[in-house]
Amino acid sequence: AQSVTQPDIHITVSEGASLELRCNYSYGATPYLFWYVQSPGQGLQLLLKYFSGDTLVQGIKGFEAEFKRSQSSFNLRKPSVHWSDAAEYFCAVVNNAGNMLTFGGGTRLMVKP
Amino acid sequence: NAGVTQTPKFRVLKTGQSMTLLCAQDMNHEYMYWYRQDPGMGLRLIHYSVGEGTTAKGEVPDGYNVSRLKKQNFLLGLESAAPSQTSVYFCASSYGGAGGRRNEQFFGPGTRLTVL
Repeated sequence: AQSVTQPDIHITVSEGASLELRCNYSYGATPYLFWYVQSPGQGLQLLLKYFSGDTLVQGIKGFEAEFKRSQSSFNLRKPSVHWSDAAEYFCAVVNNAGNMLTFGGGTRLMVKP
Repeated sequence: NAGVTQTPKFRVLKTGQSMTLLCAQDMNHEYMYWYRQDPGMGLRLIHYSVGEGTTAKGEVPDGYNVSRLKKQNFLLGLESAAPSQTSVYFCASSYGGAGGRRNEQFFGPGTRLTVL
């Protein structure tokens, strides 16, 4: 069965610093991959997605992610973090049957002033 | 468009009580989902529906029932609530169809349920 691992439960960065959140997946074929963000007390909002094609995908709020098949990774990056980026981030992969998402455990991002 | 809405936002139940959570979407999406979110466990799928009148079990279906009588609504029921069902519940919907777009899910704001 497919699975998603987000190795970092918590990450703290200074405002203006760069950010990389890690996501590793296990899946037999070319996966459909997603990153979602959840602000405190809110639902999940889609940041970006990868279906096929260019392995570097751009999303909203200045985020990007790179699909690396050889490393089974889909890491999320942002060159300069803003205080408003403090939230929880979830990576997700579509299952083999193509009818549901499997989520990672999430990474909580804190931003220091 | 309101997107995906959930009713109620908060609820406190006593063990053994029943309740229904309502999810509504105005995007004409085929697929709808119910998740629960618990600390450190991400989101886990309870039940889902691929169209009006259809439902299927997800990862953690025990203790829950669902119905999709209308395309825009997806109801989650707890017949006899237990403290282990204390959680935040999220509803989501997606277009359906083929390919990755089928799984591009739009989420509601959540319902925080406490079972005493």
